[in-house]
Amino acid sequence: QMQLQQSGPGLVKPSQTLSLTCTVSGGSMKNNDYYWDWVRQPPGKGLEWIGSIYYSGGTYYNPSLKSRVSISVDTSKSQFSLRLTSVSAADTAVYYCARENQRGGRGQLDHWGQGTLVTVSS
Amino acid sequence: SYVLTQPPSVSVAPGQTATITCGGDNLKYQSVHWYQQRPGQAPMLVVFDSVVRPSDIPERFSGSKSGNTATLIISRVEAGDEADYYCHVWDTTTEAVFGGGTKLAVL
Repeated sequence: QMQLQQSGPGLVKPSQTLSLTCTVSGGSMKNNDYYWDWVRQPPGKGLEWIGSIYYSGGTYYNPSLKSRVSISVDTSKSQFSLRLTSVSAADTAVYYCARENQRGGRGQLDHWGQGTLVTVSS
Repeated sequence: SYVLTQPPSVSVAPGQTATITCGGDNLKYQSVHWYQQRPGQAPMLVVFDSVVRPSDIPERFSGSKSGNTATLIISRVEAGDEADYYCHVWDTTTEAVFGGGTKLAVL
């Protein structure tokens, strides 16, 4: 059974960089059927897609965050990571990693990490 | 940017049928995915490709689509179905879009 385990700090100071890692177990990341995604949810609000990465390194980002976000992958460690620079209080949210199951296009998010509440505060 | 419209809330009595809609331009040409999110938990996929139910999801959950409106249908609603529900599509193939979410209240 595939599992995604998130790690990273829960508190980041304004203007600094948010960094989170998602470790995948129970299956290989090197599979043509999958992308690996990040999604966030501000307190009391809805879901917002941040971006995706393919195991070979190809990425897609939400245009509203593109200038500040970077997603990377390390298949040797079965991990993918999120970096968000120049954070502000508006970036306070629960951050989720997820597996995207796609066949010939883009697909559904069928496995999710447990979520990490990241608070931006001095 | 692309917008998916969901009703903010839906209320239903136990044992009845809940319908949650998701509307968007050209939705008729897109695959719609649905997620359930219970309080304090991560989202969980309940329907994908508009009408397909994952094997571990109860048969009470189903999806349909007519024109530019997709619908999540929950039959014989139980107290444990009380949650937020989100629809999701891909705008072109490069940007994921979620609906604003619908809070299902079981009366």
